[in-house]
Amino acid sequence: QSALTQPASVSGSPGQSITISCTGTNGDVGGYNLVSWYQQHPGKVPKLLIYEVTKRPSGVSFRFSGSKSGNTASLTISDIQAEDEADYYCCSYTNIAGFGSYVFGTGAKVTVL
Amino acid sequence: QVQLVQSGAEVKKPGASVKVSCKASGYTFTSYNIHWVRQAPGQGLEWMGIIYPSSGSTIYTQKFQGRVTMTRDTSTSTVYMELSSLSSEDTAVYFCAGEPYNRAYYFDYWGQGTLVTVSS
Repeated sequence: QSALTQPASVSGSPGQSITISCTGTNGDVGGYNLVSWYQQHPGKVPKLLIYEVTKRPSGVSFRFSGSKSGNTASLTISDIQAEDEADYYCCSYTNIAGFGSYVFGTGAKVTVL
Repeated sequence: QVQLVQSGAEVKKPGASVKVSCKASGYTFTSYNIHWVRQAPGQGLEWMGIIYPSSGSTIYTQKFQGRVTMTRDTSTSTVYMELSSLSSEDTAVYFCAGEPYNRAYYFDYWGQGTLVTVSS
């Protein structure tokens, strides 16, 4: 099971919006509405931002939103702020091996200019 | 509140085994499925497998089948992940992560991570 493909880096100036893509196959991203997104600051534990493609847990800023089209999921950060500088990972459920499992994306480093 | 507290850092020699624990508190132990995720230095997250504390059943990703064993002790609300035949490529931070209910398909609570270093 290959990792989902994310851009290595994405950058934006404070106040701008950025979008991080996450490309898989119809065996994972495209086959299920079960993509989640995680934010990880250096040396810290991953934090859940989005689940089931678009849903935001309580306490997560409304500036984070998710979407999906075909085999590509996306995370958009609106009004980007300095505190958003971190690594971001997508994750999808997959049953391609004949049993339920999960695959993460390669990770995208977000830089706030 | 939900907490997952992992055991401390380990240093192992190639060929050895390591057993990492993840102690749960703040919720009914059998209600959260526990996943194990690892992260090699400077690398991304990698899903290893899941244990269902209610039954003890497990699913491991193919990469680790035959080398990983996940178990649980309901009396102490603790989940264990043992990885054998270690090599330098297993040097990583190992996280336990909680899936809040069956078929939630996401991880909303994470342990603090356990650094496992494999070195001769």
